[in-house]
Parts: sequence; C-alpha cells; structure tokens
Amino acid sequence: DTEVTQTPKHLVMGMTNKKSLKCEQHMGHRAMYWYKQKAKKPPELMFVYSYEKLSINESVPSRFSPECPNSSLLNLHLHALQPEDSALYLCASSHWDTSYEQYFGPGTRLTVT
Amino acid sequence: AQTVTQSQPEMSVQEAETVTLSCTYDTSESDYYLFWYKQPPSRQMILVIRQEAYKQQNATENRFSVNFQKAAKSFSLKISDSQLGDAAMYFCAYRSEGGSTLGRLYFGRGTQLTVWP
Repeated sequence: DTEVTQTPKHLVMGMTNKKSLKCEQHMGHRAMYWYKQKAKKPPELMFVYSYEKLSINESVPSRFSPECPNSSLLNLHLHALQPEDSALYLCASSHWDTSYEQYFGPGTRLTVT
Repeated sequence: AQTVTQSQPEMSVQEAETVTLSCTYDTSESDYYLFWYKQPPSRQMILVIRQEAYKQQNATENRFSVNFQKAAKSFSLKISDSQLGDAAMYFCAYRSEGGSTLGRLYFGRGTQLTVWP
C-alpha cells in the first residue's frame, strides 16, 4: 500500500468556523508533512512531524494547528481562517532515517468565504 | 538556503516526440537527493524520478530519464515518446540531508508541459 489518503476532498468554511483536515498513511512512514499550494505555484511547506513530534513549523499563523495522534495519522485544525487561506492543502509522508521520496495525498481544496 | 530554479515556465511537445525540462539548483551540501514530481490537472503530486547525488549514473524510469551534472548543479528531465497523459506541471525538487533542514523539500517554480496530438 503506497497511498496517502486525505479527507475531505473539498471544504468550504466561513471565517468563524472550526474545521479539521485529516491525512492517513499505512506505509510505516515516520515523517509526515503539511503543504499549502496556490494555483500554478509550488507547494509551500507548513509543518513537518518526525516520529509524532513537530520538527519544523514554517512560522505558520496560529489559526492553523497541526496534530499527529499516532504514526499513521496527521490532522490540521483550522480556526478563524481568512479568505487568503483558500488553497489546496497537501499531506505527504516519507521515511525519515533514509532518504526516500515523499508520497503525496490528493489534497483538500479549501475555500474560505 | 538551497534554491531550485526552473527557467522554463512553459514547454510544449508533439505527441511521440522528446522534450527536456531544465532544472538547476544551488547548494553547499555534498549529500542530497533530487526529484522530479508531476502534477496533472487533478493536482495529485506524483513522483516521476529520483536521483541520489552520490550516484554518477543517471536515473531512468521507462520513458523518463535525467541528465544529472553534479559539478554544474544541473538536473534535467527528458521525456521520450511523449504521451497526452504526460501533460502536467512538472516540479523539480531538492531534498536536504543535513542539520535543521533534514527532510525538507525545496521546489522549483514548475514547468507547465503541454502535449499536442
């Protein structure tokens, strides 16, 4: 199984809503990543978890709150977002100790109204 | 910080022909990995090919091959016998192996490839 799954596929939320994005992998990877991607731009790294611990936070606003409950699951909690946060949110996973490629999920298309 | 440059925002190729996408990078590290990812209109990021910096041999995956020139810090992707399904945005990416940037992927700005029938 070489699949990273993300739910939901699409999400529309108001600026006062609280929602969560979910990412799951069963490849035994111990590194998981959240990226934000605007149209026709490369993905921008937001967070990296290594062995369920946050190892990189790219100075992301606190309205984005990541969580890694176990080695297979990664969440991104959203609260009080702005319209400019509308984007495709990609999750990825990889081995950590060996230099393997990142496998990406299909993404969640987020629209903030 | 490492930078990755894709100088061709757009490229086009006729079906069954060959096209080469360019990528250069800047780093002071000696150990690293390079990747080409493909992102079709579905926006699923798909790994196309991987190159380890310590390997002199260029990586090949079916119709996809790279020309890795370590001294020149160049990593181009050649697509042979282009197919309509190859139409996508292609991102070159560098993976750092050292220090606080371990595991981080640095992406180029992408090259949009169009394949004409």
